[in-house]
Amino acid sequence: KAGVTQTPRYLIKTRGQQVTLSCSPISGHRSVSWYQQTPGQGLQFLFEYFSETQRNKGNFPGRFSGRQFSNSRSEMNVSTLELGDSALYLCASSTGTGGETQYFGPGTRLLVL
Amino acid sequence: AQSVAQPEDQVNVAEGNPLTVKCTYSVSGNPYLFWYVQYPNRGLQFLLKYITGDNLVKGSYGFEAEFNKSQTSFHLKKPSALVSDSALYFCAVRYSGYSTLTFGKGTMLLVSP
Repeated sequence: KAGVTQTPRYLIKTRGQQVTLSCSPISGHRSVSWYQQTPGQGLQFLFEYFSETQRNKGNFPGRFSGRQFSNSRSEMNVSTLELGDSALYLCASSTGTGGETQYFGPGTRLLVL
Repeated sequence: AQSVAQPEDQVNVAEGNPLTVKCTYSVSGNPYLFWYVQYPNRGLQFLLKYITGDNLVKGSYGFEAEFNKSQTSFHLKKPSALVSDSALYFCAVRYSGYSTLTFGKGTMLLVSP
């Protein structure tokens, strides 16, 4: 079974631009969660989508948004990029049934200049 | 609020020796506990989890963890370390149900030849 895939793997943007990251979950998984990983803050939860609905949301500004499509693929968007948005963005998928294991993709490395 | 503490930023061990990476949690009710490993420039790989039942959980690559409710700990162990075990290890916790996964700050494990 194919794992979680994320595209693109690397991205360079400038301040003020916006960016869209994509995540394809494991086949049959209906939940997709997004995390931001930085050396200073560690792993921080952004949001979770289940069956096209946002089920949980972390403490991030409104510039960070996401959505999920009917095939469970998910995108996250960051508008008006700031230097501090430079990070590894990780996507994880799971069945969404509670207590289950989340399986992570390789991440998208975003650098904001 | 649920939280996880990994008290050691780094653990050093010689190849062939046993290793322990510590994790304590703070959560009411019955926690779901997880260990993940991250190699450089990669996503997180699932190692093992505790949901309920036997307090000793066996996982991938020879790792195991012991759930200790009285000490609210879930330490990761391996009887004989390999150089290839050198990586960043994360402990994570969630409530039963559909709460988010909260990660510790991570512990870097360095296994010397």
